Amino acid sequence: KAGVTQTPRYLIKTRGQQVTLSCSPISGHRSVSWYQQTPGQGLQFLFEYFSETQRNKGNFPGRFSGRQFSNSRSEMNVSTLELGDSALYLCASSLPQSEQFFGPGTRLTVL
Amino acid sequence: QKEVEQDPGPLSVPEGAIVSLNCTYSNSAFQYFMWYRQYSRKGPELLMYTYSSGNKEDGRFTAQVDKSSKYISLFIRDSQPSDSATYLCAPFLSGGYNKLIFGAGTRLAVHP
Repeated sequence: KAGVTQTPRYLIKTRGQQVTLSCSPISGHRSVSWYQQTPGQGLQFLFEYFSETQRNKGNFPGRFSGRQFSNSRSEMNVSTLELGDSALYLCASSLPQSEQFFGPGTRLTVL
Repeated sequence: QKEVEQDPGPLSVPEGAIVSLNCTYSNSAFQYFMWYRQYSRKGPELLMYTYSSGNKEDGRFTAQVDKSSKYISLFIRDSQPSDSATYLCAPFLSGGYNKLIFGAGTRLAVHP
């Protein structure tokens, strides 16, 4: 069974731009969660989607948004990028109330 | 105060040593206690988890939870160079959907 895939793996943007990251969950998994990982703050929960609905949201500004499609694939968007948004963005998928499987992440660098 | 506190290390031990990794947490409602392992340039992978207080053993790994003191531990016996990774604790609240709250992660290096 294929694991969680994330695209792109690496991304370089400049301040003020926006970015869209993509996540394809494991087949059959309808829950997709997004996390931000930085050296200073560690792994922090961004939001979770289940059946195209956002069920839970972390403490991030409104510049961070996401969506989920009918095939469970998910995208997250960051608008008006700031230097502090440089991070590894991780996506995880799971069955209900079950283990989360993480993808390899997208490393975003904001210059 | 952070919900989950974990010493980031780094921790360097010789091969064969017993490793003890620890976290404390503040929310007494946490019911599941996960340990994730993250290799460099990879996403975290679930190593093991326990429910409520007690011990759970899986090969060379033992997870321990003391809910009375809000303290969770992961022990690695006979550590191997392949155990070199970052270990993250993540208490989990059932019914909290899939929101994991991670500790800072402890970077472990096992040298031959």
